[in-house]
Amino acid sequence: AQSVTQLGSHVSVSEGALVLLRCNYSSSVPPYLFWYVQYPNQGLQLLLKYTSAATLVKGINGFEAEFKKSETSFHLTKPSAHMSDAAEYFCAVNFGNEKLTFGTGTRLTIIP
Amino acid sequence: EAGVTQSPTHLIKTRGQQATLRCSPISGHTSVYWYQQALGLGLQFLLWYDEGEERNRGNFPPRFSGRQFPNYSSELNVNALELEDSALYLCASSGDRLFMNTEAFFGQGTRLTVV
Repeated sequence: AQSVTQLGSHVSVSEGALVLLRCNYSSSVPPYLFWYVQYPNQGLQLLLKYTSAATLVKGINGFEAEFKKSETSFHLTKPSAHMSDAAEYFCAVNFGNEKLTFGTGTRLTIIP
Repeated sequence: EAGVTQSPTHLIKTRGQQATLRCSPISGHTSVYWYQQALGLGLQFLLWYDEGEERNRGNFPPRFSGRQFPNYSSELNVNALELEDSALYLCASSGDRLFMNTEAFFGQGTRLTVV
């Protein structure tokens, strides 16, 4: 079955520390992968997407993600967290069925 | 350029009533997607409209329905409201069907509260 799993519904990091948000997928076909961010009381904004041109994808606001086929993962990272990064992050996958399937989200809290 | 717009921002209804939510896609986008974001459940795919036709629907009962108008705007109707229908309803549009890595652009959502 095709699915998306985000490990950790809540993640807290100190300001300036590394941010690591995990996303794994289950699929028998090559998926297309996205990370979206949702700030309070707002819709979703695209952070980055995997285009198959490179396994390391750079997005907005200093975020990047690495596609690892062998691990079926697409983890999101940022070297140094800022207070403004506090939000909910969603991993999304297009399994080739013309819709996006979302993970359950990870709420990121930044500790001053 | 205007993004995806949704109205109303908030909607309060009584159990058993009907709710109508509206979405205007980005100009030139023909595909509209509806998602339900209930507390703790992430985003669940509801409906996809393209070129005025319903192309796909998620695992929701028939009382969730909608349509797409000739100008590509869309309406989501929820009949016989139940308390568990309380959620943020997000609309997204794309310039093409969601092939491969086509991006979907989201509106700010309609917060539906059923009391």
